[in-house]
Amino acid sequence: SYELTQPPSVSVSPGQTARITCSGDALPKQYAYWYQQKPGQAPVLVIYKDSERPSGIPERFSGSSSGTTVTLTISGVQAEDEADYYCQSADSTGRVFGGGTKLTVL
Amino acid sequence: EVQLVESGGGLVQPGGSLRLSCAASGFTFSSYWMSWVRQAPGKGLEWVANIKQDGSEKYYVDSVKGRFTISRDNAKNSLYLQMNSLRAEDTAVYYCATSEDGWYFDLWGRGTLVTVSS
Repeated sequence: SYELTQPPSVSVSPGQTARITCSGDALPKQYAYWYQQKPGQAPVLVIYKDSERPSGIPERFSGSSSGTTVTLTISGVQAEDEADYYCQSADSTGRVFGGGTKLTVL
Repeated sequence: EVQLVESGGGLVQPGGSLRLSCAASGFTFSSYWMSWVRQAPGKGLEWVANIKQDGSEKYYVDSVKGRFTISRDNAKNSLYLQMNSLRAEDTAVYYCATSEDGWYFDLWGRGTLVTVSS
């Protein structure tokens, strides 16, 4: 199995840009996916295949990849974006999540 | 409506067993890889197991191998997780989750809470 590493927390002011990173040796070979989870709710997919945005997800959410690191970028952060964010990847035998990053909107 | 609904959670003593179920509706269940994902109280997400469309392939996280068994009944549009030899560290909300290509999860249930405690 492999690991995905995220920072435990990120803080930004409303209207600023938040960047959440996820690092893992397998990321150059495998796609990354991002989820938003608010308290008491199931996770919601916000980015798939490194940079694709599902329908219904605001355009301020974007994803990028460079080597062993993928990044979730939230432009023009809003109060409603305060949540936990998880990256995820996969190989032929399983799936793995990063430890999660708590985004605080100051 | 496309949805997944988990059931079967509850309080169980260490060493005990529990069987979780997930009822799927609104999509062609037999065409999808299915997974169980859990989240311990106050902790992050952990993928537990997945199963191929026809049940011929099953994979597990190391911590549950030999104790948990994932299965499905395509005729009933249902996914199951048989959990044996339960430990305190198995305490979590268990989610049923899937997507069309199976590599990620764009459909989640609301989860069912499993508490392992004496």
